[in-house]
Amino acid sequence: GIQVEQSPPDLILQEGANSTLRCNFSDSVNNLQWFHQNPWGQLINLFYIPSGTKQNGRLSATTVATERYSLLYISSSQTTDSGVYFCVVDSLIQGAQKLVFGQGTRLTINP
Amino acid sequence: KAGVTQTPRYLIKTRGQQVTLSCSPISGHRSVSWYQQTPGQGLQFLFEYFSETQRNKGNFPGRFSGRQFSNSRSEMNVSTLELGDSALYLCASSTWGEYSTEAFFGQGTRLTVV
Repeated sequence: GIQVEQSPPDLILQEGANSTLRCNFSDSVNNLQWFHQNPWGQLINLFYIPSGTKQNGRLSATTVATERYSLLYISSSQTTDSGVYFCVVDSLIQGAQKLVFGQGTRLTINP
Repeated sequence: KAGVTQTPRYLIKTRGQQVTLSCSPISGHRSVSWYQQTPGQGLQFLFEYFSETQRNKGNFPGRFSGRQFSNSRSEMNVSTLELGDSALYLCASSTWGEYSTEAFFGQGTRLTVV
């Protein structure tokens, strides 16, 4: 099945710093999403981005489907940005939703 | 509009018991999928339901089962609980489509087996 690799696995930054999280996937996808998992475990939708570039405030994302990677940019980091970021793709099974998760990037923003 | 609702939020069970978790999707969403999150294995797909039919199943033993009702609410059941079943169980809902669409997750049910 499709493989999703995220890098780096851990990232520790000072407040105000910028960061780039990367997601590589092994096969064509129909759906790519970025989530932030908060300390209570809930997955918060950041971007639905099978291709192209989107921006939402300090966050932006780019997916280059032909090269099978996606990038999540966080600018001017705040302590509330801490948590685990997941890249999630579908397995391209027609008529069924099956999401495949990367192992996540654990981001720690220190004040 | 209301998000995906999972109940209960926390659960403690004893080995050998069974447990039922519930997931109510966003109104209008007909696909519900379930995932297990553990520190060692990460997030893994359990199964997906659409219009009361299981369309896809992950690599989990038969002790894990589920169903979906006509109102799209879904339940998953784990029988003969083992210590290794302790995990965060998340469900996701999405709209119908020929291919997958944006998924939204509930807050999860944290199951502890003692």
